[in-house]
Formats: sequence, structure tokens, C-alpha cells
Amino acid sequence: KAGVTQTPRYLIKTRGQQVTLSCSPISGHRSVSWYQQTPGQGLQFLFEYFSETQRNKGNFPGRFSGRQFSNSRSEMNVSTLELGDSALYLCASSLASNVADTQYFGPGTRLTVL
Amino acid sequence: AQSVSQHNHHVILSEAASLELGCNYSYGGTVNLFWYVQYPGQHLQLLLKYFSGDPLVKGIKGFEAEFIKSKFSFNLRKPSVQWSDTAEYFCAAMNTGFQKLVFGTGTRLLVSP
Repeated sequence: KAGVTQTPRYLIKTRGQQVTLSCSPISGHRSVSWYQQTPGQGLQFLFEYFSETQRNKGNFPGRFSGRQFSNSRSEMNVSTLELGDSALYLCASSLASNVADTQYFGPGTRLTVL
Repeated sequence: AQSVSQHNHHVILSEAASLELGCNYSYGGTVNLFWYVQYPGQHLQLLLKYFSGDPLVKGIKGFEAEFIKSKFSFNLRKPSVQWSDTAEYFCAAMNTGFQKLVFGTGTRLLVSP
């Protein structure tokens, strides 16, 4: 089975712009979660989608949003970029319906905000 | 608040030395525990997980971890490390029913040949 894929792998944006990141989960996986990884804050949970619905949300401002499509692919959007948004954004997928399940991670999208 | 603590931020070992990385969690309710590894230039990979049953779980590449409920701990062990184990190791926890992983800050392991 192919793993979790994320596109693009690298992005450079300037402050005030917006960005959209994409994630394709492992075939058959219906849950997609997003995490932000920075040297200072480590890995932090952004949100999780299951069957096109956001089920869980972390403590990030409303500038961070996401969605999931009927084929389970997910996108994450960050509007009005700030320097502090520079990070590695990781997507993880799992089968998960109502129970905890193992999450499998993609390679990430490295976003640099100038 | 839910939290995961990893007390060793950097560990340096020689090949063949034994490894133990500490992980403590603060959670209410049933918790599921994971160790992930991030090799240089690679993405996060699952080493092992504990959901229920035998508290001693075995993972890939000779790693194992023991869930000690009374100590709120899930320490990672390997009897003999190799140079290829050089990586960053993350402990993570999840409440049953919620697909939200809470990660520790990670431990960077350097194994010298």
C-alpha cells in the first residue's frame, strides 16, 4: 500500500499571504489529522477530519482551517500568514471510526514564511 | 490538562550500549500510548504502541516498551543500540475515542560507532 502523501513538500510564502496544503491518506483510511512541528513547540495537533467532518480541533487560531473530501483527501489552509507559521506541517491517516487507532504520518510540507 | 513528558532531551550512547528513554503521561481515562521515531531526513514512523493487554509491548527493530500504570510511564528500551538507531524519538498518547495525539518534546539519540 502506498503511504500518506503530502504536496507540496516545500513552500515559501510571504507574510499576509495564504497557503493550501494537501494530504492523501493511505487507501481505505477515513481519518486524517494535521500536526504542526516546530523546534520550539514540538508536535502540536491542529485538527482531525473523519468522513468530511471535523471531529477534533487543537488550540490554533481561526486562520488555520481544513476540510476533507469524499475520497478522504484533506486540505489545510492557513490565511494571513505570520512568520511564526513557519513549520513542518504533518498529515497522518488512520482507519479510526470510534476508537483510538494508529496514525501513520506523511513526509510533511515544510512551510517557510518570509 | 493532557500532557506527555520526555525527560531526556539528548542522549549519546556508544554502539552496543543499552537504551532506556523515559516517558510519563498525565491523562484521565483510558489512554493509548505510542512511540514514534524520526530518522534524519525521514518522516515519523511508528515504533510500537500500547492499547491494552500485556503491558510489555515489542516493536520493530528490537525496541520494546513497558506500560506501568501506577507510575504513569511508558519507557522505551533496547538492549543493544546500533549506529542506525540515531534518530529523534517521540512518545505520544491518545485518549480512547479521540484521534488526537499529544506528543512529548522528543529525545534526540546519537549513537557513536
